[in-house]
Amino acid sequence: EIVLTQSPTTMAASPGEKVTLTCRASSSVSYMHWYQQRSGTSPKLWIYETSKLASGVPNRFSGSGSGTSYSLTINSMETEDAATYYCQQGSSYPWTFGGGTKLELK
Amino acid sequence: EVQLVESGGGLVQPGRSLKLSCAASGFTFSNYYMAWVRQAPKKGLEWVATISTSGSRTYYPDSVKGRFTISRDNAKSSLYLQMNSLKSEDTATYYCARQGLITTFAYWGQGTLVTVSS
Repeated sequence: EIVLTQSPTTMAASPGEKVTLTCRASSSVSYMHWYQQRSGTSPKLWIYETSKLASGVPNRFSGSGSGTSYSLTINSMETEDAATYYCQQGSSYPWTFGGGTKLELK
Repeated sequence: EVQLVESGGGLVQPGRSLKLSCAASGFTFSNYYMAWVRQAPKKGLEWVATISTSGSRTYYPDSVKGRFTISRDNAKSSLYLQMNSLKSEDTATYYCARQGLITTFAYWGQGTLVTVSS
């Protein structure tokens, strides 16, 4: 099973600040997907195939990475970006998620 | 608009069974792989099961293999999850999800809570 480790577990950012969340895989994967989950709501697909933004996702978000190291970056933090972000790999069964990074507004 | 509405959750004793349902609308159900993903209280996400478009192929992680069965009725645009021999660690909100390209979970329902406790 491929284990995904996200860091940091929790962080706070001020409006306008640049934010980078990381996801490391225990074995190489072909791509990474990211989900956003705001408090009390269902997860939403946010970034797929490492760098493609899902429909409706603001272009201040970006994704990058390869092999065992991936990241999600917010160019300029906004209030609505406060949420928990999960990475997910679909390269091999069982498909797995990272433990999540909770991003709070400072 | 894609809509996924789960039902069937509730309180169940350890060792007993429960069947979840998911009613889909807003898209051609039979064209998509479907899945269940769960989230234990205050915890992260865990993929539970996936089923192919025709239902001929199913996939599970070891944590539920042999206890859970995913199925679908394309005529009714419905997805199901039969859960047997339930354990306390199965306590979670269960989400129905429509899979997208390249193994994503593109759309999610609102979830249904399953609590396994005596």
